[in-house]
Amino acid sequence: DAGVTQSPTHLIKTRGQHVTLRCSPISGHKSVSWYQQVLGQGPQFIFQYYEKEERGRGNFPDRFSARQFPNYSSELNVNALLLGDSALYLCASSMDPQGASGAFFGQGTRLTVV
Amino acid sequence: GEDVEQSLFLSVREGDSSVINCTYTDSSSTYLYWYKQEPGAGLQLLTYIFSNMDMKQDQRLTVLLNKKDKHLSLRIADTQTGDSAIYFCAERRGAGGFKTIFGAGTRLFVKA
Repeated sequence: DAGVTQSPTHLIKTRGQHVTLRCSPISGHKSVSWYQQVLGQGPQFIFQYYEKEERGRGNFPDRFSARQFPNYSSELNVNALLLGDSALYLCASSMDPQGASGAFFGQGTRLTVV
Repeated sequence: GEDVEQSLFLSVREGDSSVINCTYTDSSSTYLYWYKQEPGAGLQLLTYIFSNMDMKQDQRLTVLLNKKDKHLSLRIADTQTGDSAIYFCAERRGAGGFKTIFGAGTRLFVKA
């Protein structure tokens, strides 16, 4: 079975632009979470969605938004990009919202803002 | 990470045991995890422990949880060069909406 897939793998954007990142969870997983990982740091929690509803939100500005589709795939949108948004964006899926058995991560999308 | 603390580096010799420590702050956290990240790769779930457990063993991995002190440790027995990676401790918080908080990671160097 395919693992968590993210697209694109790499992306370069200019300050002020917006970006959409995509994630397909493992088949059967209904929960998707998004993380931002800046070089040298641990992943920072952005959002969790379960059954198309937001179940958790981290300390990120309103420029960050996400949604989950009926097939459980998800998009992360970032508006008005700043240089500081440059990071590896990770998507993780799990079967349940409580995360009882941990989450499975994709390889990430590396976003560079210039 | 937000309130999850780990030491940044650990160096051990091949064949020795490695112990990676972590402290967290939210006593209501339900699950605690250890993830491994190799260069250029995503995170791999190694093991997890429920907050009402003290210990969990899975092959070469042993997790110890001291809930009173909010201290979590990961012991890797017979450490191999392939274990060289960054190890992240994470806690699952349920109050106020689900969120998983990661530490900054411990970089493990295994010397042959």
